[in-house]
Amino acid sequence: ETGVTQSPTHLIKTRGQQVTLRCSSQSGHNTVSWYQQALGQGPQFIFQYYREEENGRGNFPPRFSGLQFPNYSSELNVNALELDDSALYLCASRQRPGQYNSPLHFGNGTRLTVT
Amino acid sequence: GIQVEQSPPDLILQEGANSTLRCNFSDSVNNLQWFHQNPWGQLINLFYIPSGTKQNGRLSATTVATERYSLLYISSSQTTDSGVYFCAVYTGANNLFFGTGTRLTVIP
Repeated sequence: ETGVTQSPTHLIKTRGQQVTLRCSSQSGHNTVSWYQQALGQGPQFIFQYYREEENGRGNFPPRFSGLQFPNYSSELNVNALELDDSALYLCASRQRPGQYNSPLHFGNGTRLTVT
Repeated sequence: GIQVEQSPPDLILQEGANSTLRCNFSDSVNNLQWFHQNPWGQLINLFYIPSGTKQNGRLSATTVATERYSLLYISSSQTTDSGVYFCAVYTGANNLFFGTGTRLTVIP
């Protein structure tokens, strides 16, 4: 069984730039979500995608956007980067979007530094 | 929104010792997961436990949903147990709310 994989592992960007992070879901999983983890804090929900559509969003501005592809892989795009966007970005997949018997499985994350 | 609080915030153990980590949540939840985040940032599933007790090797977890808490037990701790332990809860939405975490350090 292939786990959740993310790329790149580390990334350094300049304030104002745009960034794209990528995620491949665990095999058999059709739902993907993204989380932001600032240093010393717990992960915070950004959004979730199911069947290529966003079906849940946390308290993040529109410059955070995403895509899910037919093979269930996903992208997180962040425009107009700010210093506070520096964080570990975690992708997670699950078999289906409901809560029952469908735990989240996380990738190793992408550590983004904005200078 | 729901509040998820974990205690203690920090814990230092001698290798071989046992510990109990607690997670309190402020509202009813549909499910709960415990995670271990290792020093490299990897978030590893430990338990998916809406209620009752589960065991996996040296670790076990108990959730009492009616009283809004969950406990994670670590027995015979090892240095590889070091890291941050998070509980996270599912409410009616599609996302997880994470707790504040417990940072565990196991010293040889």
